[in-house]
Amino acid sequence: ETGVTQTPRHLVMGMTNKKSLKCEQHLGHNAMYWYKQSAKKPLELMFVYNFKEQTENNSVPSRFSPECPNSSHLFLHLHTLQPEDSALYLCASSQELPGQGAWPPDTQYFGPGTRLTVL
Amino acid sequence: GQQLNQNPQSMFIQEGEDVSMNCTSSSIFNTWLWYKQDPGEGPVLLIALYKAGELTSNGRLTAQFGITRKDSFLNISASIPSDVGIYFCAGQAEETSGSRLTFGEGTQLTVNP
Repeated sequence: ETGVTQTPRHLVMGMTNKKSLKCEQHLGHNAMYWYKQSAKKPLELMFVYNFKEQTENNSVPSRFSPECPNSSHLFLHLHTLQPEDSALYLCASSQELPGQGAWPPDTQYFGPGTRLTVL
Repeated sequence: GQQLNQNPQSMFIQEGEDVSMNCTSSSIFNTWLWYKQDPGEGPVLLIALYKAGELTSNGRLTAQFGITRKDSFLNISASIPSDVGIYFCAGQAEETSGSRLTFGEGTQLTVNP
C-alpha cells in the first residue's frame, strides 16, 4: 500500500462533460504530481505542486485544470476533453521536490491511477 | 527533451529464468530509479541508484548505475510468476531543475509457469 489514493479508478466521459479526478496522500508529503500514462509511451509529467503552489506546468492544454487546496489533496478538473486524452492518469507525491537540498532525492510514490476514457 | 531508451520492450520467459533489461540515454543522469507497475496499479519503486558504478540489490533484483552515467541495468534472478508486470526506468539529470523525472517506455515482462 503506497499511501496515495485516487478516485475514481475508472471514468468514462463525453467530450462535453466536466469531471474531476481526486488524489489524496496520507504520507505527510509536501510535493504532489499529476502524470499521464498512455499505452506504449513513457509517463508524461503534467503538473507539479509544492506546498500547494504550482511549480511546473508541462505545456498541458487548458482543458486540464489542476487544483491543490492543501498538501494532502490534489485535483485534476477535466472539461471538453478529446478522445486522445484517454489514458491512465497517475498522481504521485514526495516529501520534497528534488533539488531542494536533500540527498538522496526523495522518492515519488504513485497512486493506483484513474483510467479515463473519453468518448 | 531528454529521452530514455529502454530495452527490451517485452520479454516472455519461463519461470526460474533470469531476466536482464536496460536503459540508455544520450544525457548524463545523477539518479536512476527502477519501478514496477502491476496491471491496474501505479508504479512502485524497486531500486534507487545515486552514484555512478553503484550496484544495489533488493531481494532477487539487482540494479546498476552505469559508470558513464548514461545507462542503468536491472536484473531479476530466478523469476517467478508474480514478477509479471511492466518495469520502468527513470532518471533525473543534473541540468534538469526541480522535479522532472524522465521515464523509459517500459519493459513488459511475462513469466510462464
